[in-house]
Amino acid sequence: QKEVEQDPGPLSVPEGAIVSLNCTYSNSAFQYFMWYRQYSRKGPELLMYTYSSGNKEDGRFTAQVDKSSKYISLFIRDSQPSDSATYLCAGSYSSASKIIFGSGTRLSIRP
Amino acid sequence: EAQVTQNPRYLITVTGKKLTVTCSQNMNHEYMSWYRQDPGLGLRQIYYSMNVEVTDKGDVPEGYKVSRKEKRNFPLILESPSPNQTSLYFCASSSIQGNTDTQYFGPGTRLTVL
Repeated sequence: QKEVEQDPGPLSVPEGAIVSLNCTYSNSAFQYFMWYRQYSRKGPELLMYTYSSGNKEDGRFTAQVDKSSKYISLFIRDSQPSDSATYLCAGSYSSASKIIFGSGTRLSIRP
Repeated sequence: EAQVTQNPRYLITVTGKKLTVTCSQNMNHEYMSWYRQDPGLGLRQIYYSMNVEVTDKGDVPEGYKVSRKEKRNFPLILESPSPNQTSLYFCASSSIQGNTDTQYFGPGTRLTVL
């Protein structure tokens, strides 16, 4: 079993919809959780970074961590075609340790 | 401008011919790491470094070496490349102090080993 599991998609939603991207993880020692966005032929970019359980909001993006169920989510409100990309979740023990990634979910926003 | 640079961007080589992919950052970050990305497998961390002369294995370190002699540079060395190391490689850097939610990736190096 992979330490971080993510549905590869693809996921296609109409513009303006709320997008929900999800991952599960198996390692209860993870304390830090990240979401990355990767456009085609580009390097990943860090989108959201959260510590332990709870929510974190940044503009149209909300990251949610539920450590009791080992579930992490990314919500995108008012989705735009420019949000079309692959989204990767990741977990880590600390800010200076190994990072384990999910395999990524390909998201397409239809105009 | 905050930047992570990698060289070369593209490389085709043959089995067994030693190669080095360079990575450099200009942000004085402590943490640097190397990843490979393969279809269906996502990003997998090869090695990471918490600071100068401090490195540790990631998820897939076999067949790779790294060194961190200077804070800004973190080269990835393939002593004897094999075809299963054909992949897209990314270097990244971040700070582990203060504001830890900044991480920068390089543009990637596409390596083909024949």
